[in-house]
Amino acid sequence: EDQVTQSPEALRLQEGESSSLNCSYTVSGLRGLFWYRQDPGKGPEFLFTLYSAGEEKEKERLKATLTKKESFLHITAPKPEDSATYLCAVQANTGNQFYFGTGTSLTVIP
Amino acid sequence: KAGVTQTPRYLIKTRGQQVTLSCSPISGHRSVSWYQQTPGQGLQFLFEYFSETQRNKGNFPGRFSGRQFSNSRSEMNVSTLELGDSALYLCASSLTGGHTEAFFGQGTRLTVV
Repeated sequence: EDQVTQSPEALRLQEGESSSLNCSYTVSGLRGLFWYRQDPGKGPEFLFTLYSAGEEKEKERLKATLTKKESFLHITAPKPEDSATYLCAVQANTGNQFYFGTGTSLTVIP
Repeated sequence: KAGVTQTPRYLIKTRGQQVTLSCSPISGHRSVSWYQQTPGQGLQFLFEYFSETQRNKGNFPGRFSGRQFSNSRSEMNVSTLELGDSALYLCASSLTGGHTEAFFGQGTRLTVV
């Protein structure tokens, strides 16, 4: 069964304290792995797509990496405005639906 | 470029009633997917429409249905509402639904009392 697990569930960081969020997945043929950011009361906002192991994408203080079994979202020197829930989703080769993890709630303290 | 628009933003209904939610995708996007988001379950896939046809369906009861129009706008209907249907319903649009990013609307917050 296709599955996505994110850890930790919640993370509190001091401003400037770098860390990583984990997304592990089991899927019968990965079409793509997606990272989203969700602010309270809003829909998820697209961040990155990764398609193959070894791929990396960067955007400002965020960097996403992908291996055959997991993806990491590295946050370098975070700021309070980075506080949000970060969601990971995978899309299998069979079918077009996305399987989402339950997210990591990140709080960055000034 | 306009984003995904969902209406209404908030809705309060009584158990047993039915409800229709609307989603207008990004112009040119032909795939529309619907998700239910609850604190305990996260985002769960309801169904996907592409070119007016349901292409994929999640594990939800038949009370949940949808349709897509020729202009790619989509509606989702929930009949015989239950308290457990209270959730944020999110619509996502993408160009083709496969191998492309999905962009989400703000969601419709449904409360069933």
